[in-house]
Amino acid sequence: AQTVTQSQPEMSVQEAETVTLSCTYDTSESDYYLFWYKQPPSRQMILVIRQEAYKQQNATENRFSVNFQKAAKSFSLKISDSQLGDAAMYFCAYRSARGAQKLVFGQGTRLTINP
Amino acid sequence: EAGVAQSPRYKIIEKRQSVAFWCNPISGHATLYWYQQILGQGPKLLIQFQNNGVVDDSQLPKDRFSAERLKGVDSTLKIQPAKLEDSAVYLCASSLSPLGLESYNEQFFGPGTRLTVL
Repeated sequence: AQTVTQSQPEMSVQEAETVTLSCTYDTSESDYYLFWYKQPPSRQMILVIRQEAYKQQNATENRFSVNFQKAAKSFSLKISDSQLGDAAMYFCAYRSARGAQKLVFGQGTRLTINP
Repeated sequence: EAGVAQSPRYKIIEKRQSVAFWCNPISGHATLYWYQQILGQGPKLLIQFQNNGVVDDSQLPKDRFSAERLKGVDSTLKIQPAKLEDSAVYLCASSLSPLGLESYNEQFFGPGTRLTVL
């Protein structure tokens, strides 16, 4: 079974600075997707960024980018120019590319933005 | 486009009582998921439907939890009887494409129902 581990329960960063959230995963599959989700206090899960395992190029979405290291099974999220609205729980998630498409989530990292 | 709707948003019950949650997915989405998110943890899949059939319910405590998706549209998740450890947020999500397509299908989440069992 696949597992996802986020080793940082909490992180904080000054507004406008850069922060990196860590995630490692374990799988025997070669085709899969990785995601970062944001969950604000409203509880609604919002997709931040996704990465296809077959792509070598790291995904980017505006201020959000990932560092995908397939051999090391590492998938970190970098947030540049942090804004107060970025404060939330961030979850790393794995999904197989075949079969049932359930998401396997990590434990989450609470990100605080200091003004 | 309307998002995934869930109700109620909050529910407080006594242990051993029963409770039901409702989810209406995005129109046209074939796949529906129920996740349980215990405080301080990531969501865990309870059950996945493809239209009105169950795809995966391996982590559903079937002695007390049940779910249905009649007519392949909205879904109900029921707990009977509830235990203290069932206190959690119950998230519903839906995605567009059916199983078997090896393509990316984004899951869209609803706002969740926060259940407190006293």
